[in-house]
Parts: sequence; structure tokens; C-alpha cells
Amino acid sequence: EAGVVQSPRYKIIEKKQPVAFWCNPISGHNTLYWYLQNLGQGPELLIRYENEEAVDDSQLPKDRFSAERLKGVDSTLKIQPAELGDSAVYLCASSLDYNSPLHFGNGTRLTVT
Amino acid sequence: GESVGLHLPTLSVQEGDNSIINCAYSNSASDYFIWYKQESGKGPQFIIDIRSNMDKRQGQRVTVLLNKTVKHLSLQIAATQPGDSAVYFCAEQFGNEKLTFGTGTRLTIIP
Repeated sequence: EAGVVQSPRYKIIEKKQPVAFWCNPISGHNTLYWYLQNLGQGPELLIRYENEEAVDDSQLPKDRFSAERLKGVDSTLKIQPAELGDSAVYLCASSLDYNSPLHFGNGTRLTVT
Repeated sequence: GESVGLHLPTLSVQEGDNSIINCAYSNSASDYFIWYKQESGKGPQFIIDIRSNMDKRQGQRVTVLLNKTVKHLSLQIAATQPGDSAVYFCAEQFGNEKLTFGTGTRLTIIP
């Protein structure tokens, strides 16, 4: 089966600019996650979707971050405006349900200059 | 919040030997544990999971051991190969709460 697909793989932007990341989960996976991973650290959850509903967004900095999962399939994560500290790898993952293993995409490496 | 830690940040093992990666978790109520492998430039890859009603689970060349008494999780890799070189993360979950990852152990295979 095709894995989780993310794009772009790399993004370099200047601070205060907007940026968006896209994720296509594994077909049939109802649960979708966005994680942030800083260098040398484990992934940290930003938001979790069950179909179209964001059921856990407590870790999402809502002043600048937003996400959507229209039609319960693809998802986008947006940052506006980006700050230097947002430089990291943004990982998307999906699972059949919340008690099943997460399958990750290869991430988008964001560099904010 | 609760955290997941690792005893060793780096581990070097001779090719062909067995590797053991250890992980300490702090939430005694956690009931689901997963090991992930992450190669450079890639996302974490699921290796094996175990639920708290088990103390051992085996996969292909990998075994996960869970000791709930001391809140310890380990990943054993048999006959390590160069392709096993990566960063390994353990992660824990309690019920429907979020999956919490540790900071990872870098495994290096010496030819």
C-alpha cells in the first residue's frame, strides 16, 4: 500500500512569511496527525483528526498555526506568520484508528531565515 | 506531563551481534508502547508494539520486552545489520491520550 505522502519535502522561507504543508494519509486511515520534530528529539503532537474533526489540538499554537482536513482525507497545516523558532521537521502520520500504530510520512523540513 | 526517557543516547554494536536498546517510561498507567526506527531524512518507521497485558512480543529479528514493575521497555535486535543503523524511539500511550515519544537512541553498526 502507498504510504503517507507529504509535500513539499523542503521549504525555506523568510520570517513573517506564510507557509503551508500538505499531507495525504494512507487510504482508509481515519485518524490523521501532525507532529513537529526538532533536531535530536522525538516527535511532538500538534493536532489529531478523527475524520474531519480535530479532536486534540491542545498543542497547536493557534495564534499562528492552523490546520484543516476537508472531506476527512487530505490535510494541510499552515503557519502565518512564520517565526525563526518554527524551523523544524513537520511530520504527518495516519492510523486506522486511535489505538493502532501510527504510520509517518517523510516530513517537510522547514527552514525560516 | 509524563515523559519517556532513554538510558543511552548512543549505542555502537558490531555487525552480526545483538543490540539492546532500553527505555524508561514514567507513567505507570501507560498501556500501549511502540518502537519506531528513524533513518536520516525519513519519518519514523513502525517496528513493533506491545500492550500492557503482555511482557514480551517478537517480530522479525526484533523482540520487545516490557517490565511494568520497573517501568522499563527494551528493544532487542538480533544479528544486527548495517541497515539497522538509525535512531530508535520508544513511545508510550495511556488510553486515548496522545502518544508520547522519547528523545531517541542512535544505533551505529560497526562493520
